[in-house]
Amino acid sequence: AQTVTQSQPEMSVQEAETVTLSCTYDTSESNYYLFWYKQPPSRQMILVIRQEAYKQQNATENRFSVNFQKAAKSFSLKISDSQLGDTAMYFCAFAPLSNDYKLSFGAGTTVTVRA
Amino acid sequence: SAVISQKPSRDICQRGTSLTIQCQVDSQVTMMFWYRQQPGQSLTLIATANQGSEATYESGFVIDKFPISRPNLTFSTLTVSNMSPEDSSIYLCSVVWWAGYEQYFGPGTRLTVT
Repeated sequence: AQTVTQSQPEMSVQEAETVTLSCTYDTSESNYYLFWYKQPPSRQMILVIRQEAYKQQNATENRFSVNFQKAAKSFSLKISDSQLGDTAMYFCAFAPLSNDYKLSFGAGTTVTVRA
Repeated sequence: SAVISQKPSRDICQRGTSLTIQCQVDSQVTMMFWYRQQPGQSLTLIATANQGSEATYESGFVIDKFPISRPNLTFSTLTVSNMSPEDSSIYLCSVVWWAGYEQYFGPGTRLTVT
């Protein structure tokens, strides 16, 4: 079984600053995908960024980037130039290829961006 | 990008009754899933909705309580049966498109059982 751990229940950041969310996972799989999802108060789950385990290069999507450390089973998300609209719950998720892309989610981190 | 819709968006139901939630996608998808998000919690996979066959349920979820249908490649329903207050949650469907692996979610259905 896979477990995903997000050790930071809440994070607060000043607008325009940078915040980093941590995520670790435990698996014996070698082929898998990792994702960060954002859930604002509207409750819509929004895919922020994805990482294929076989790729060494860290994924980047505009202000969002990840630090993927496969050996350490770590997958952190960095939000640069934080904006008020980034205020949301952020979930780290893991999907092994062997399990039909079924997602296992971490507990989530609430990010509040202060004006 | 394709649109995923869910109906109803929210409902308040009495214990002992059933509610059917619909998930509609405007293009064909390979896989559809149903998740539950209890208040203040993360998402838990209920089942994989298989087109034309019985759904595949995760540990702790059974067909009698959460019957699922998927008659075609764009539509699925989840029924929450014989509801109790513990079933109060957000229920979300998600989809995976052909040749893809990313999951995209519907807007969710907020269910309150009184």
